[in-house]
Amino acid sequence: DTEVTQTPKHLVMGMTNKKSLKCEQHMGHRAMYWYKQKAKKPPELMFVYSYEKLSINESVPSRFSPECPNSSLLNLHLHALQPEDSALYLCASSQLGQVLTFGAGSRLTVL
Amino acid sequence: AQSVSQHNHHVILSEAASLELGCNYSYGGTVNLFWYVQYPGQHLQLLLKYFSGDPLVKGIKGFEAEFIKSKFSFNLRKPSVQWSDTAEYFCAVNEGFQKLVFGTGTRLLVSP
Repeated sequence: DTEVTQTPKHLVMGMTNKKSLKCEQHMGHRAMYWYKQKAKKPPELMFVYSYEKLSINESVPSRFSPECPNSSLLNLHLHALQPEDSALYLCASSQLGQVLTFGAGSRLTVL
Repeated sequence: AQSVSQHNHHVILSEAASLELGCNYSYGGTVNLFWYVQYPGQHLQLLLKYFSGDPLVKGIKGFEAEFIKSKFSFNLRKPSVQWSDTAEYFCAVNEGFQKLVFGTGTRLLVSP
């Protein structure tokens, strides 16, 4: 299995909702990442987990809350988002210092 | 902080034309360099990478890139493009051990 699987593919939520994005990989990778990609822009790093511990937080607002329950799973909990948070959220995984494998992304629309 | 510049934002080519996309990064020292491609509606895929060794790197689908350390560049080339190469291409450079910094991307349209 050489894939990173993200669910849901599409999510529409209101500003008062609480939702979660999920990411799963079974490649034995020990680093997992959340990136945000706005339309016609490059991916921007949000969080990095290394050996299930948060190692990088790129000053992301607290309305985004990452969680790494185990080495295969990565969640991104969403609460009280703003319309400008609408974007494609990409999960990736890698061995430390190696090539990132990306998922197809979860397209989020905040109304 | 590392930054990555891609000079061509939009490129339009006819099939069989040659392609060169520019990429420059800001920070010297030891770098790992990547080109990723995003086909319409698909996820980011690795085209090729440079970690060390031969500065001319060959990737998938006939793409290659040349690392020129003195110019802080990692340009992507393909001798003859196909309609199926229509996609967005991102150059990326590592910043530290875990962070990957992407360039702004180049949208390539290949007309049949």
